[in-house]
Amino acid sequence: DIQMTQSPSTLSAAVGDRVTITCRASQSISRWLAWYQQKPGKAPNILIYKASTLESGVPSRFSGSGSGTEFTLTISSLQPDDFATYYCQQYDTYWTFGQGTKVEIK
Amino acid sequence: QLQLQESGPGLVKPSETLSLTCIVSGGSISSSSYYWGWIRQPPGKGLEWIGSIYYSGSTYYNPSLKSRVTTSVDTSKNQFSLKLTSVTAADTAVYYCGRHAIAEANRPNWFDPWGQGTLVTVST
Repeated sequence: DIQMTQSPSTLSAAVGDRVTITCRASQSISRWLAWYQQKPGKAPNILIYKASTLESGVPSRFSGSGSGTEFTLTISSLQPDDFATYYCQQYDTYWTFGQGTKVEIK
Repeated sequence: QLQLQESGPGLVKPSETLSLTCIVSGGSISSSSYYWGWIRQPPGKGLEWIGSIYYSGSTYYNPSLKSRVTTSVDTSKNQFSLKLTSVTAADTAVYYCGRHAIAEANRPNWFDPWGQGTLVTVST
């Protein structure tokens, strides 16, 4: 099984802050990685796929990078609508998710 | 716009079978570009992929759940279903269905869109 580990688990930040979330895979997954945003009581929404490709309609303040085993999701200037939980998901071998990173208001 | 909607009992007794259906609207489940998947999320916890099915019936299952999971597809009704046998309290979760895109490497990749989810509680 490929394990996905996100850090931090919780992140406190203010509007306007630059935020970075890390996702590490237990083995190389090339660039087969997606990022999702989930708000309370709602289903996840896709933000980024293939590590760095922004889904249509997603604000450009979101960006993704990485390959192999280490990936990052960056929000360049945190907006009120961005307070949510973020998940990475690998699709190299089967499909597994990270445990999530909750972005809270500081 | 494609929409997915989960339906099924919200309460299942331990040792019984959990059965859910996902109705797809606004698009055809018979598209060659997609699998159709199930994902669950225990209350307050993270996401776990359960299984995915193609319109032809080809399936992928999570190895940790494979012995208890069956999925099926009904193209005439544009819907697909999940059965999970011998449930315990550990199977209590919000169950989501989602479209599983075949975009890279000729296999399913990410999930988009998702249904709204349905809470299934395993309890007597």
